[in-house]
Amino acid sequence: DTEVTQTPKHLVMGMTNKKSLKCEQHMGHRAMYWYKQKAKKPPELMFVYSYEKLSINESVPSRFSPECPNSSLLNLHLHALQPEDSALYLCASSQGTYGFGEAFFGQGTRLTVV
Amino acid sequence: TQLLEQSPQFLSIQEGENLTVYCNSSSVFSSLQWYRQEPGEGPVLLVTVVTGGEVKKLKRLTFQFGDARKDSSLHITAAQHGDTGLYLCAGLMNYGGATNKLIFGTGTLLAVQP
Repeated sequence: DTEVTQTPKHLVMGMTNKKSLKCEQHMGHRAMYWYKQKAKKPPELMFVYSYEKLSINESVPSRFSPECPNSSLLNLHLHALQPEDSALYLCASSQGTYGFGEAFFGQGTRLTVV
Repeated sequence: TQLLEQSPQFLSIQEGENLTVYCNSSSVFSSLQWYRQEPGEGPVLLVTVVTGGEVKKLKRLTFQFGDARKDSSLHITAAQHGDTGLYLCAGLMNYGGATNKLIFGTGTLLAVQP
């Protein structure tokens, strides 16, 4: 099983809403990532969790709040987002932040903030 | 400052043509990955190159890692319509201590006309 599963696939939310994105993998990977991607642009790293601890926060605004409940799950809690936060949010995992960096990506959540 | 520059940015060719995509940097990477992404999907890993000068082949795709591990190329022979997508190189850099992070290139959008 080389799948990274993200839910929901699409999400429309208002600027005052609170929502969460979920990501799950069962490959035994110990590093998990959130990326943000605008149309026809490369993914931009937001957060890295290594062994369930936050190891990298790329100066992401506090309206994005990551959480890693266990080694298989990664959440991204959203609150008071802006329309410019609309993007494809990608979750990825890899064996660890050591190694060759091969990351497996989920299909993404297409987020629209209205 | 973008660490990994890809060229060309856009490429539209006919089926059967050959093409080369370049990924260049002034930084040294411990490894480099190539991903392909279709609209609305997450990136899919194509190959990882680790050793300077390494050449890997995946059917009609040939990947090369520069001797100094700062650049890479992807050559596609006899392109097919199914090769259409966003091609992304990604380099692994040490963030500090034992933590690495994957940095994506600027991307090359390939359209193969049937």
